[in-house]
Amino acid sequence: QSALTQPASVSGSPGQSITISCTGTSSDVGSYNFVSWYQQHPGKAPKLMIYEVSKRPSGVSDRFSGSKSANTASLTISGLQAEDEADYYCCSYAGRSTFYVFGTGTKVTVL
Amino acid sequence: QITLKESGPTVVKPTQTLTLTCTFSGFSLDTSGVGVAWIRQPPGKALEWLAVIYWNHDKRYRPFLKHRLTITKDTSKNQVVLIMTDMDPVDTATYYCARNDFGVLPNWFDPWGQGTLVTVSS
Repeated sequence: QSALTQPASVSGSPGQSITISCTGTSSDVGSYNFVSWYQQHPGKAPKLMIYEVSKRPSGVSDRFSGSKSANTASLTISGLQAEDEADYYCCSYAGRSTFYVFGTGTKVTVL
Repeated sequence: QITLKESGPTVVKPTQTLTLTCTFSGFSLDTSGVGVAWIRQPPGKALEWLAVIYWNHDKRYRPFLKHRLTITKDTSKNQVVLIMTDMDPVDTATYYCARNDFGVLPNWFDPWGQGTLVTVSS
């Protein structure tokens, strides 16, 4: 039951775009379009940013977008802002046995 | 407005049993497609899904912890309880509960409670 693999850190300057990858297997990310992304500021609870690979909940900025190719999902933040500095986690449904698997987490730094 | 809040002990001793309660408002666990999940996060580490219970009484557990976990719901009280036996220092973490959507398949977690830090120490 391995976690999904994310880069430990990604950084960018204000206004730039960054992409966070989330690599799983054919048993999770590769098999289901039920990948979600969460933003977590220090000391705070996670917040849903993307669900079903690319859908944005109401109230989430359209600077956040999601996609998937094969076993890898991605979160792109465009027009990077200081408030985007946080940890980001992906999560995927992984079938009836494992059920859910989270990613290892990525720290986003705005330079 | 949907809210969830975790409650329980802040410190437990090794081998003891942990009981956490999630009290929620703004939705009902009798509604089709609704679930409440528990997710934990050890200090400085990643999120880890533990368990979920659904409107139809279906329950799912993290496979390697299944033998230690029990999740129950009290719909009349709008509460979900997680019991974890045989606590160990490696179980020290912030424990979150979150509303879980189940449409076609298990889906997103939103919103989340504020979390409660549980420390396992003698």
